[in-house]
Amino acid sequence: QITVKESGPTLVKPTQTLTLTCTFSGFSLSTSGVGVGWIRQPPGKALEWLALIYWDGDKRYSPSLKNRLSITKDTSKNQVVLTVTNMDPVDTATYYCAHRQRYNLFTSDDAFDIWGQGTMVTVSS
Amino acid sequence: EIVLTQSPATLSLSPGERATLSCRASQSVSRSLAWYQQRPGQAPRLLIYCASYRPTGIPARFSGSGSGTDFTLTISSLEPEDSAVYYCQQRSNWRYTFGQGTKLEIK
Repeated sequence: QITVKESGPTLVKPTQTLTLTCTFSGFSLSTSGVGVGWIRQPPGKALEWLALIYWDGDKRYSPSLKNRLSITKDTSKNQVVLTVTNMDPVDTATYYCAHRQRYNLFTSDDAFDIWGQGTMVTVSS
Repeated sequence: EIVLTQSPATLSLSPGERATLSCRASQSVSRSLAWYQQRPGQAPRLLIYCASYRPTGIPARFSGSGSGTDFTLTISSLEPEDSAVYYCQQRSNWRYTFGQGTKLEIK
């Protein structure tokens, strides 16, 4: 059974750096095809993909936030860490991590099949 | 960046009715499209992947169709628990985007 869970601060000040940790179980991030992604959702708004790290260490970022994001993995600890620099009140959101499942080896078609419960982060002075 | 446009924004139907939700991509995504359900206060749940495949445990009343730029999520006979926001999501050039969502209300 795959589970993922987010952890991190609930409140950060403007200009600070946010560090979120995704701790997972039931899979290994060294298994071919596996990935862990981060998605956020401002209150009352739509989902926004932020970043994803793959089993082979490849990293992908949202073009609009690329300069502020960093995603890393610690395979031995079963953790993925997302950092977001220069936080602003507009970054207030629930941040989700999710397991990426590849369904087609040739096309790499995939989806986020298991999500954490999310962690709400408020940016305010 | 590929933009996904969902319609309608809101849909209000009665139990037992059929719901049809649309997702249109700004350029072809082949069949790399997924649908998620998000009930109030909950995390999203994967309903459909690769445009038309249901994960284990998803009821058969949920079905997906389409390819290229036009996709549809159909709920054949609505249940009260289907009240939620539904999002489509694509991956192209190793970047992911979500639609803005369709809110489905069950009368």
